[in-house]
Amino acid sequence: DAKTTQPTSMDCAEGRAANLPCNHSTISGNEYVYWYRQIHSQGPQYIIHGLKNNETNEMASLIITEDRKSSTLILPHATLRDTAVYYCIVRVAGKAGTALIFGKGTTLSVSS
Amino acid sequence: EAGVAQSPRYKIIEKRQSVAFWCNPISGHATLYWYQQILGQGPKLLIQFQNNGVVDDSQLPKDRFSAERLKGVDSTLKIQPAKLEDSAVYLCASSLEPGPNYGYTFGSGTRLTVV
Repeated sequence: DAKTTQPTSMDCAEGRAANLPCNHSTISGNEYVYWYRQIHSQGPQYIIHGLKNNETNEMASLIITEDRKSSTLILPHATLRDTAVYYCIVRVAGKAGTALIFGKGTTLSVSS
Repeated sequence: EAGVAQSPRYKIIEKRQSVAFWCNPISGHATLYWYQQILGQGPKLLIQFQNNGVVDDSQLPKDRFSAERLKGVDSTLKIQPAKLEDSAVYLCASSLEPGPNYGYTFGSGTRLTVV
């Protein structure tokens, strides 16, 4: 699976949008981009995933560049409860055995 | 729906002892994963099951770790004998199928301390 590069940490003011970048310059055509987050002392939580098109759900938006070499996770109105480690993962489609491989992620700190 | 259940929540053992962790996935989820998360790192995949068969155990230290999912439902991960470096959170996750359009649901994990 392609590797990802994320900033180690980011800060965001409560109520503002949090934009978390991820570089995946070696991504292949059949690899999806996934985002998970892990709040302290909990297991990772699925946020969103996409292949080519931008995606939005009740938690966040995912913006994927046209060349698919980078993406941005957007939390539109960050709250203190969004403080967590955010993982960007690329994963091959369809094949059994292609489990999620986690890197170190970005630690997002939301403050009031 | 009920989440992924794991037990125990915490475990402290001495090195060279054995320990077992239990996981009950979401009902109907065919795919089950065990991850090891050392403090300050992202989760590392240990083993993946599809129903009761092993799909990927390439990262499992087989000299001391074993896992089974005999009836294709709940699963047990065992360490025997434990080493100090096995201190970590052991996370279980499940998904409906292994394909890309199925997200994982994780349990809260078992925190193992080896002293």
